[in-house]
Amino acid sequence: GDSVTQMEGPVTLSEEAFLTINCTYTATGYPSLFWYVQYPGEGLQLLLKATKADDKGSNKGFEATYRKETTSFHLEKGSVQVSDSAVYFCALFQAGTALIFGKGTTLSVSS
Amino acid sequence: GAVVSQHPSWVICKSGTSVKIECRSLDFQATTMFWYRQFPKQSLMLMATSNEGSKATYEQGVEKDKFLINHASLTLSTLTVTSAHPEDSSFYICSASSGSSYNEQFFGPGTRLTVL
Repeated sequence: GDSVTQMEGPVTLSEEAFLTINCTYTATGYPSLFWYVQYPGEGLQLLLKATKADDKGSNKGFEATYRKETTSFHLEKGSVQVSDSAVYFCALFQAGTALIFGKGTTLSVSS
Repeated sequence: GAVVSQHPSWVICKSGTSVKIECRSLDFQATTMFWYRQFPKQSLMLMATSNEGSKATYEQGVEKDKFLINHASLTLSTLTVTSAHPEDSSFYICSASSGSSYNEQFFGPGTRLTVL
């Protein structure tokens, strides 16, 4: 079945460092891809999405490009802030199915 | 954005008792609500999908008689863990949607259940 694999954390960075969180997927069709973020004590929030190959989702300085050839949707940010500390989930969705999540990657940014 | 709340945020109960978790959409009408379960360092696993006024649709492997879901109104869904056992200890998360599109799914903060 469909699945999402994302890099295990925790990822620990200093402020202003470059961030990459890898995400790859397995799907039989043409899924839509998402990144969700969960800040401490809060619910998951949609961070960005891409609905077809080569689409780039972006929000709050984060971006991810839907790469069908490598079945990847890596999350990147050029300069992280302490406030970016959270758990990040990669997910996919296909019509007729539910959201499928990766295990989540904890990001910790120190000043 | 739309807000979804859960109550309680954490609960500890004795083995054999039942626990009810509420999920509320505070500022929109949720025609569909989803219940997920998350084990430590694991991904969110969908347990069931409920539409207001209808019986919930459970995912394969989820015991519907153990995890009772009620979606009686457009703003409230409840998950009752009946005769809870230690293996039911987990983080339960609900989400709510006002439509059929995935990107309208808003998540609650989760409920930590510990069964002693």
